[in-house]
Amino acid sequence: DAGVTQSPTHLIKTRGQQVTLRCSPKSGHDTVSWYQQALGQGPQFIFQYYEEEERQRGNFPDRFSGHQYPNYSSELNVNALLLGDSALYLCASSLSRVLSNQPQHFGDGTRLSIL
Amino acid sequence: GQQVMQIPQYQHVQEGEDFTTYCNSSTTLSNIQWYKQRPGGHPVFLIQLVKSGEVKKQKRLTFQFGEAKKNSSLHITATQTTDVGTYFCAGPSGGGATNKLIFGTGTLLAVQP
Repeated sequence: DAGVTQSPTHLIKTRGQQVTLRCSPKSGHDTVSWYQQALGQGPQFIFQYYEEEERQRGNFPDRFSGHQYPNYSSELNVNALLLGDSALYLCASSLSRVLSNQPQHFGDGTRLSIL
Repeated sequence: GQQVMQIPQYQHVQEGEDFTTYCNSSTTLSNIQWYKQRPGGHPVFLIQLVKSGEVKKQKRLTFQFGEAKKNSSLHITATQTTDVGTYFCAGPSGGGATNKLIFGTGTLLAVQP
């Protein structure tokens, strides 16, 4: 039973570049959420995808966008990278159930460094 | 905006001592979840509490949800070196039924053998 997988594990970019991070959810899960975790902080919710649509969004600028594919895998895209975008980007999957709060299953994350 | 705070920020204990972290939300929560993140790892779900005043135990870990559903605690009895990590509480944004979680500030636990 495969858990949440993310790629790449590490990435180094320079300011102004664009990046795409990828996530495959845990088998049987259909909802993917993305979080940004700065060093020494708790994860911050970026957005959530379900049925190939962005369902909820946190307080992040439009430079952060995403996509979900029919097989439930997801991408996080960040444009015009800033130094402050350096962080661990976590993908979490869960089952969608109406009016309930599901435990989040996290991947190992992508460590993004901006030079 | 909604805030979830945890205290202490950091605690260093001798192996065998007890440990408690407290979580406080600025809004009433429909439920609260707890996660553990080992150094260099990712958050791992521990438990979810739903009912007012609920207490749940997992071996040496005891979780409580406050009567007003705005606070929670995690108590570890007789810590072990395997307990090292950061413990996060997380509640639903806006307090209701949503998978958008607001994570607390976390408590880093260090255990000296």
